[in-house]
Amino acid sequence: QSALTQPASVSGSPGQSITISCTGTSSDVGGYNYVSWYQQYPGKAPKLIIYDVINRPSGVSNRFSGSKSGNTASLTISGLQAEDEADFYCSSFTSSSTWVFGVGTKLTVL
Amino acid sequence: EVHLVESGGGLVQEGGSLKLSCAASGFSFSDSFMHWVRQAPGKGLEWVGRIKSRGERYATAYVEPVKGRFTISRDDSKNTAYLQMYSLKTEDTAVYYCTRQLTGSAGFDSWGQGTLVTVSS
Repeated sequence: QSALTQPASVSGSPGQSITISCTGTSSDVGGYNYVSWYQQYPGKAPKLIIYDVINRPSGVSNRFSGSKSGNTASLTISGLQAEDEADFYCSSFTSSSTWVFGVGTKLTVL
Repeated sequence: EVHLVESGGGLVQEGGSLKLSCAASGFSFSDSFMHWVRQAPGKGLEWVGRIKSRGERYATAYVEPVKGRFTISRDDSKNTAYLQMYSLKTEDTAVYYCTRQLTGSAGFDSWGQGTLVTVSS
């Protein structure tokens, strides 16, 4: 099971919107509505910010939103803030009843 | 409040064994599916494996590179999950996180602080 494809880095200015893509196959991203997104600060544990493609856990800012089309899922962050600077990972359930993570994307707020 | 605390990490020689523990509190542990996720230094996240609840016969699943070498178990009476690692390789060096699967979903909504496993050659 290969890692899901994400851009290595994205950047944006405060107030702008950015989108991070997560591309898999029909055996994972495309086959299930079980894509999650995690935010991770250096030296810290990941934090769930989106689950089941579009859902936000309680307490997560509504500036974070998720979507999916075919084998590609996307995370959009609107109204970018300095505190959003972190690493972001997508994850998907797979047809083998396992999970696979994306390679990770480093978000820089300019 | 959900709390997960990993322990048992450390330095081990290649070919050795190590057993990690994950102590849980603040939720119904026995009903929860528990996972282990690792992160090699400076690298991304890698799902390691999962154990379901008693109702699902404690079914386990693992990522291919650890199959046959790692075993996940749980003791619901102690609210603790375990990751037994055998035949360790240098590429198993990582921070190992214990995490809880969100009920009815595939997301991981609670994470421990992680425990570092270093395998030396």
